[in-house]
Amino acid sequence: QSVLTQPPSASGTPGQRVTISCSGSGSNIGGNTVNWYQQSPGTAPKLLIYSHNQRPSGVPDRFSGSKSGTSASLAISGLQSEDEATYFCAAWDDSLSIWVFGGGTKLTVL
Amino acid sequence: EVQLVESGGGLVQPGGSLRLSCVTSGFSFSGYSYDWVRQAPGKGLEWLSYINAGGTLIYYAPSVKGRFTISKDNAENSLYLQMNSLRDEDTATYYCARELGNDGEGYWFDSWGRGTLVTVSS
Repeated sequence: QSVLTQPPSASGTPGQRVTISCSGSGSNIGGNTVNWYQQSPGTAPKLLIYSHNQRPSGVPDRFSGSKSGTSASLAISGLQSEDEATYFCAAWDDSLSIWVFGGGTKLTVL
Repeated sequence: EVQLVESGGGLVQPGGSLRLSCVTSGFSFSGYSYDWVRQAPGKGLEWLSYINAGGTLIYYAPSVKGRFTISKDNAENSLYLQMNSLRDEDTATYYCARELGNDGEGYWFDSWGRGTLVTVSS
């Protein structure tokens, strides 16, 4: 049972826009920044979005993040086949003094 | 190029010990904080431990506190995870990650190693 809640799966067709939600509480998302990681099968996680909505160098601007209250969202526009991966949200939890992750959302490009 | 390379994984019996290493290159190791994160087969990510640049601030997840010890050696540009009293549920791929950030922007794991597989089984 993950502290942050994500839908287990999402899907879309090429060119579509999809969003992935991440729900937490005041001690994690509500009081801290949210990061998103992308993990393709058989590979290590890769930083996708940090500090709610910042993209590291090299991440396409098709990826965007947002936060409202105790929830966050990752949006992917212009969906491409290479976006097929599992996406994890993460935040520091002040009450537990640990990093917490969402359970991951597996994105399928139909 | 920033690189982190884990090693030390393998098959160990329940109750046994293992020491994971994470050798880094391409940046000044001593100036950064680091974390260990694991992923059980087919499961999500679980954060395990954090150590700051000075080695003076350390955190552990409840699931490993008292059994695992994180440390770093600036001279070796390496991060370590000593794992004792291993259990079946510790079976996972273990990743080291460099942590960046500040109090204003928050913190994040910007670079990850490829991971090392630990299997706990009799």
